[in-house]
Amino acid sequence: KNEVEQSPQNLTAQEGEFITINCSYSVGISALHWLQQHPGGGIVSLFMLSSGKKKHGRLIATINIQEKHSSLHITASHPRDSAVYICALRTGNQFYFGTGTSLTVIP
Amino acid sequence: ETGVTQSPTHLIKTRGQQVTLRCSSQSGHNTVSWYQQALGQGPQFIFQYYREEENGRGNFPPRFSGLQFPNYSSELNVNALELDDSALYLCASNRDSIYGYTFGSGTRLTVV
Repeated sequence: KNEVEQSPQNLTAQEGEFITINCSYSVGISALHWLQQHPGGGIVSLFMLSSGKKKHGRLIATINIQEKHSSLHITASHPRDSAVYICALRTGNQFYFGTGTSLTVIP
Repeated sequence: ETGVTQSPTHLIKTRGQQVTLRCSSQSGHNTVSWYQQALGQGPQFIFQYYREEENGRGNFPPRFSGLQFPNYSSELNVNALELDDSALYLCASNRDSIYGYTFGSGTRLTVV
């Protein structure tokens, strides 16, 4: 049983496309994080959400607490957006991670 | 850029040995957590320290232990290394668990 499910697992898009990555979870959360991991392993924290919606540049993250669902959107995708995107939950002092969505944006 | 530094970046150890991985956080970051990421998998939460006390732990055996120091640095110690311990080990820190986490670039451990 996975507390966090991400979809899709792999995604290939043409440059300029609008991209959506989904995260569903089954536990109560204190916060949900969207992380970006590039080849080589370094992780960047993109968003931390506990309700509503956040926007940073071309990235938008939303969360619906009642439905236990979050989405990460990328507008006007670019090849430099190619990375693995990971949804992570914090419940108290426990963390659960999705297996990630591998995004490839083709020029 | 990141305010969290991990060392070493790569490490090779023999099965049965012990290893210490280090993480240096930003000043004021009193919360540090450690994660294990096997190849092709998402990170798994190992434990979290807050003000030098462990206050959360994932499903890892006691041979995984940690320390957090007053200077905002921390260690992950793994005893009796097993081949399956080969992974990328990440640390992340923040202040009071209410802000976003800053991740280090990780230590890639290979157990042979």
